[in-house]
Amino acid sequence: NAGVTQTPKFQVLKTGQSMTLQCAQDMNHEYMSWYRQDPGMGLRLIHYSVGAGITDQGEVPNGYNVSRSTTEDFPLRLLSAAPSQTSVYFCASSGAYNEQFFGPGTRLTVL
Amino acid sequence: AQKVTQAQTEISVVEKEDVTLDCVYETRDTTYYLFWYKQPPSGELVFLIRRNSFDEQNEISGRYSWNFQKSTSSFNFTITASQVVDSAVYFCALDAMNRDDKIIFGKGTRLHILP
Repeated sequence: NAGVTQTPKFQVLKTGQSMTLQCAQDMNHEYMSWYRQDPGMGLRLIHYSVGAGITDQGEVPNGYNVSRSTTEDFPLRLLSAAPSQTSVYFCASSGAYNEQFFGPGTRLTVL
Repeated sequence: AQKVTQAQTEISVVEKEDVTLDCVYETRDTTYYLFWYKQPPSGELVFLIRRNSFDEQNEISGRYSWNFQKSTSSFNFTITASQVVDSAVYFCALDAMNRDDKIIFGKGTRLHILP
């Protein structure tokens, strides 16, 4: 099993550009989520999904969209990137006992 | 509201010393899970332990131990005989099962083990 995979690992955007961060898991987990990690702020929940076709907002959803058309994939879209979205992004999926398995992260810089 | 507080932002100890990382949580739910994760300097997030609200038994795994006390809403993590490889950021997290499905993390404690 590959676990949780994220692409790309690094990305630089200009203000106003859009992009999609990809996340996939091969563990057949229903629950998936996106977090951003900023210095001193810990992990903040952006969006989450409890299954295909169902998504909901976390603590910091503004500026981000998600969709969940399959169990495996949970992409995160930045509609119009802003410097405040410079961060490290982690995707996670939850196992049967609710422990989260994290992807390796995407380091995003918005200029 | 649900909240996880890790009051210790940064801790430094000398190798072989014991160290305890504090975690205090808030939830109105009676059923919930608590977790600890480790983030070493390489950046990945590693699951360490899960505890449900009905199980207050302390747990020991090698040099790691966890003390869960519902009376004080705390889930503290102790490393015995610390080693340099324990240097990392440690996160405590809460998953309250009866409400929304959000899993909330504390801000983390950065632990430095000095040789």
